[in-house]
Amino acid sequence: QSALTQPASVSGSPGQTITMSCTGTSSDIGSYQLVSWYQQHPGKAPRLIIYEVNKRPSGLSNRFSGSKSGNTASLTISGLQAEDESVYHCCTYAGRSSWLFGGGTRLTVL
Amino acid sequence: EVQLVESGGGVIQTGGSLRLSCAASAFSISTNHMSWVRQTPGEGLRWVSIIYKGSYIYYADSVGGRFTVSRDSSTNTLYLQMDSLRVEDTAVYYCARVSAEYFDLWGQGTLVTVSS
Repeated sequence: QSALTQPASVSGSPGQTITMSCTGTSSDIGSYQLVSWYQQHPGKAPRLIIYEVNKRPSGLSNRFSGSKSGNTASLTISGLQAEDESVYHCCTYAGRSSWLFGGGTRLTVL
Repeated sequence: EVQLVESGGGVIQTGGSLRLSCAASAFSISTNHMSWVRQTPGEGLRWVSIIYKGSYIYYADSVGGRFTVSRDSSTNTLYLQMDSLRVEDTAVYYCARVSAEYFDLWGQGTLVTVSS
């Protein structure tokens, strides 16, 4: 199984809305509604921000949203803030008790 | 406070063994599914293994036959025994709690460096 494909970087200005993609195959992302997203600041552990494609953990800002179409999942961050600058990882359950991650996308807030 | 704390990382030569620990606080690892995930600068995050609360265990193909996950309920600690280590096993290793099919709590990670 190959890793999911994410763009290496995206950027946006404060207040803007950005969307980043995560592409898999019909055997992983396309087969399950089990995509999750993680935010990781430098030197820190990943933090869950989206699960089951579009659900947010309790207390997480509604500026973060997720979606999926076919074999591609997306993370959208609206009203960009400086604190959103981070690396974002996508992940999907891939069947047979295994998971796939993407390579991570670095978000720069200009 | 609900948290996971890993330890046991270090520098080891190719072919050697290392055991990582993950101590859980404020919840029981025996009634939760637990995983190990590793991260390399070049490849990002990679899932390594899972131990279900019912004790079923699965491994990624890259580590199967070399790594063994276990848990000690009395100390609420998760372990990853890593044998026949390779240079490509060099990574930060995280333990994570698994809720349904996502990772809802992560430790701070422990660095394993395998040198040739």
